[in-house]
Amino acid sequence: ETGVTQTPRHLVMGMTNKKSLKCEQHLGHNAMYWYKQSAKKPLELMFVYNFKEQTENNSVPSRFSPECPNSSHLFLHLHTLQPEDSALYLCASSQNPSGGNTGELFFGEGSRLTVL
Amino acid sequence: RKEVEQDPGPFNVPEGATVAFNCTYSNSASQSFFWYRQDCRKEPKLLMSVYSSGNEDGRFTAQLNRASQYISLLIRDSKLSDSATYLCVVNPGGGADGLTFGKGTHLIIQP
Repeated sequence: ETGVTQTPRHLVMGMTNKKSLKCEQHLGHNAMYWYKQSAKKPLELMFVYNFKEQTENNSVPSRFSPECPNSSHLFLHLHTLQPEDSALYLCASSQNPSGGNTGELFFGEGSRLTVL
Repeated sequence: RKEVEQDPGPFNVPEGATVAFNCTYSNSASQSFFWYRQDCRKEPKLLMSVYSSGNEDGRFTAQLNRASQYISLLIRDSKLSDSATYLCVVNPGGGADGLTFGKGTHLIIQP
C-alpha cells in the first residue's frame, strides 16, 4: 500500500491525443513532484510543487503541462507527445521541499505511458 | 559529466555473502545523500540516509567520502529479498531543487 496513488497505471496514446495523469497523496505533505523514469536512464525530475506553487520546471517540453489545484493533488496533462516520451511517470510527495533533511520522497507506483 | 554515477551491474551474489557498491557524484557542494531501493516494477523507497560519519542499519552500512565525492553501501549476510536495484541519491543544494538520482545498481542474490 502507498500513501501516494497514481492513475491510470497504464496508458497508451497516439501522438495527437490529449490525456492526463493524476496523482493524489494522503500523507499531508507540502511538496509534490513529477519524475520520469526511462529504461537505462536515471530518474529525471520534471516538476516540483511546494504548497501548490510550482518551484521548478526542469526544462521540460511544453507538451507536458502540470497542474496542482491543492497540496494533495497533482496532474500532468499530456498533448502531442512523441514516441520517445514513452516512460514510467512517477509522482512523489514529501513533507518539505527536496524531502527536507530526511531526504524521503514517497513515490506512487507510477503511470506507464506508451506513445504510439 | 554525469551528476551521479553508479555501476549498473548486475551484481550476482550468493546468499549470505557481503556485497558493496559505490556511487560518485560530481557536485562538490552537495549537501545530503541517500540510498533508495527499487524492486522490479515497483516505486523507489528510501533505504537509508548517508551521514558523514557513516551509519549502519542492521545489515546495511552506508559511508560518505566527501573528499573523493563517493558514497558506498555495504550489505552483509545478504538475503534473497535484498535483490533489487539500489539508487544512489544526492541532494545538490537543498531548497526545492529536488533530488538527483543515479541510474541504479542491480543486485541479484542467488540461492
